Amino acid sequence: AQSVTQPDIHITVSEGASLELRCNYSYGATPYLFWYVQSPGQGLQLLLKYFSGDTLVQGIKGFEAEFKRSQSSFNLRKPSVHWSDAAEYFCAVAAYSGAGSYQLTFGKGTKLSVIP
Amino acid sequence: DTGVSQNPRHKITKRGQNVTFRCDPISEHNRLYWYRQTLGQGPEFLTYFQNEAQLEKSRLLSDRFSAERPKGSFSTLEIQRTEQGDSAMYLCASSLEQGSEQYFGPGTRLTVT
Repeated sequence: AQSVTQPDIHITVSEGASLELRCNYSYGATPYLFWYVQSPGQGLQLLLKYFSGDTLVQGIKGFEAEFKRSQSSFNLRKPSVHWSDAAEYFCAVAAYSGAGSYQLTFGKGTKLSVIP
Repeated sequence: DTGVSQNPRHKITKRGQNVTFRCDPISEHNRLYWYRQTLGQGPEFLTYFQNEAQLEKSRLLSDRFSAERPKGSFSTLEIQRTEQGDSAMYLCASSLEQGSEQYFGPGTRLTVT
């Protein structure tokens, strides 16, 4: 069965500093990978996705992620964090269930705090 | 706004009562998913519809849970005889094609007292 590990439960960075959130996945086939962001009390917003092709993918809000098959990783990066980026970030892998659906399996999330 | 909508946003109920949540997906999306998110966890898959057909159910979906999607448009999730362990955020998502990205609604937060 597929799984996603986000090793960091909580990260604090200063505004303007760079950011990297780690994500490791376990899946037997070529994965579809996603990063979502969730603000308090809100649903999830898709930041970016990897299906195939270029292993460096660009997303919204200045985020990017790099797929590394050899390390089973899909880390999220941003060169300069803004206070509005404070939220919880979820990495997810989509696995074909055999019943016509791609189920998303999420990590437990990384909460990002930003110091002004 | 043509995103996924969910109602109600918050529901407080007493243990043993029945509750029903509604999800309206993005209009052209024929795939609809329900997830449950408890505190400190990522969302967990509950069930999946393709049009009006419920094609998959997680083992998390006990007999007290039922979901429908009449006419392949909106969906409802009903929980009968609620228990305190049902307290969670219930998220709905929709997608256009198999394997494509899922778009999430704002969720319904259920509190069972």
